[in-house]
Amino acid sequence: QKEVEQDPGPLSVPEGAIVSLNCTYSNSAFQYFMWYRQYSRKGPELLMYTYSSGNKEDGRFTAQVDKSSKYISLFIRDSQPSDSATYLCAMSAGNSGYALNFGKGTSLLVTP
Amino acid sequence: GAVVSQHPSWVICKSGTSVKIECRSLDFQATTMFWYRQFPKQSLMLMATSNEGSKATYEQGVEKDKFLINHASLTLSTLTVTSAHPEDSSFYICSAHPAGVSYNEQFFGPGTRLTVL
Repeated sequence: QKEVEQDPGPLSVPEGAIVSLNCTYSNSAFQYFMWYRQYSRKGPELLMYTYSSGNKEDGRFTAQVDKSSKYISLFIRDSQPSDSATYLCAMSAGNSGYALNFGKGTSLLVTP
Repeated sequence: GAVVSQHPSWVICKSGTSVKIECRSLDFQATTMFWYRQFPKQSLMLMATSNEGSKATYEQGVEKDKFLINHASLTLSTLTVTSAHPEDSSFYICSAHPAGVSYNEQFFGPGTRLTVL
């Protein structure tokens, strides 16, 4: 079993829809949770960073972490065609300088 | 700020040759840099972790004699793929962790696409 599971999609939604992206994990030592956005043939770009359980909101993006269920989510409100990309969840057990464990990434397409 | 560059952005080489990929943090110093490999429609797989001035730590299954990593300064790490073969064709991405930052933030480079003929 991989440590981080993520449905690769693809996920297609109309412009303006609310998008829900999710990951599950098996390592209870993970404390730091991140969401990255990756456009085709580009490096990942950090979107959200959360520590332990709870919610974090930044503009149209909301990240949720439920450590008891080992489940994290990213919600995108009022989705735009420019949100079309691959979204990767990542997590780590340690704080400074620790390697990240990535999900496979979910491909999102927002249609006009 | 917090820009990471990679050079080259793409490279095509013949089987058996060696290829060097550079990763630079342009506006910050990086105590730790990471090298990942990503196959099409797959996730980023960590290959190795390098700390400035010390030997890299390789993940299980990654041949350290084939993938040579040098982190000679706080702004530069290099990955050399020695005697490359077609199965080494992949997207190689580096990331850098800024010195003095307590939380686990990594800034990623744009990646290098390697094609071995």
